[in-house]
Amino acid sequence: SQTIHQWPATLVQPVGSPLSLECTVEGTSNPNLYWYRQAAGRGLQLLFYSVGIGQISSEVPQNLSASRPQDRQFILSSKKLLLSDSGFYLCAWRVTGRGAEAFFGQGTRLTVV
Amino acid sequence: SQQGEEDPQALSIQEGENATMNCSYKTSINNLQWYRQNSGRGLVHLILIRSNEREKHSGRLRVTLDTSKKSSSLLITASRAADTASYFCATGGGFAGNTGKLIFGQGTTLQVKP
Repeated sequence: SQTIHQWPATLVQPVGSPLSLECTVEGTSNPNLYWYRQAAGRGLQLLFYSVGIGQISSEVPQNLSASRPQDRQFILSSKKLLLSDSGFYLCAWRVTGRGAEAFFGQGTRLTVV
Repeated sequence: SQQGEEDPQALSIQEGENATMNCSYKTSINNLQWYRQNSGRGLVHLILIRSNEREKHSGRLRVTLDTSKKSSSLLITASRAADTASYFCATGGGFAGNTGKLIFGQGTTLQVKP
């Protein structure tokens, strides 16, 4: 069966520190991968998505970057965190093709202090 | 910009009542999906409706789609306290060529009181 792993669950980082959040998927090949951010009580903002290795589409100009070094690995990074980077980060995947549902990780609660 | 916009933003009902949430979107779609999110957790897929479908049922869930109005509704019948969660609609992607995007609305927070 397919599973998605996202870690860590919570993270407290000082302003100006680097960030690396990792997401891995098991049990499927060539998935679409997504990073979303969710502010408290709000909807999901699409940050990045990837349809293949090395292919990253950025939706919102910001202090973050994403990479897909392997087919089932998606990494969200920042060189220097800002206070405004705080939020709930969600990784998701779905198979390519028509109308496929997305499967989400459990999320990372990032607090920048 | 967000593709889907839900209303109401918040809904509070008594157990046993029905809950209706609405979603509007901006561009043409070939399907629309509804997801549920318990507080502080990831989203879970509930139901998908294709653009050539007008209504779809799954258990206590009923989804309608009106492509002429670019809107969808999610009805939860005979609600339970366990239905308390946030509900999101999502659109995008899936066309031949696979644009890949999946855009979510702002969500409706549903509280079902026992």
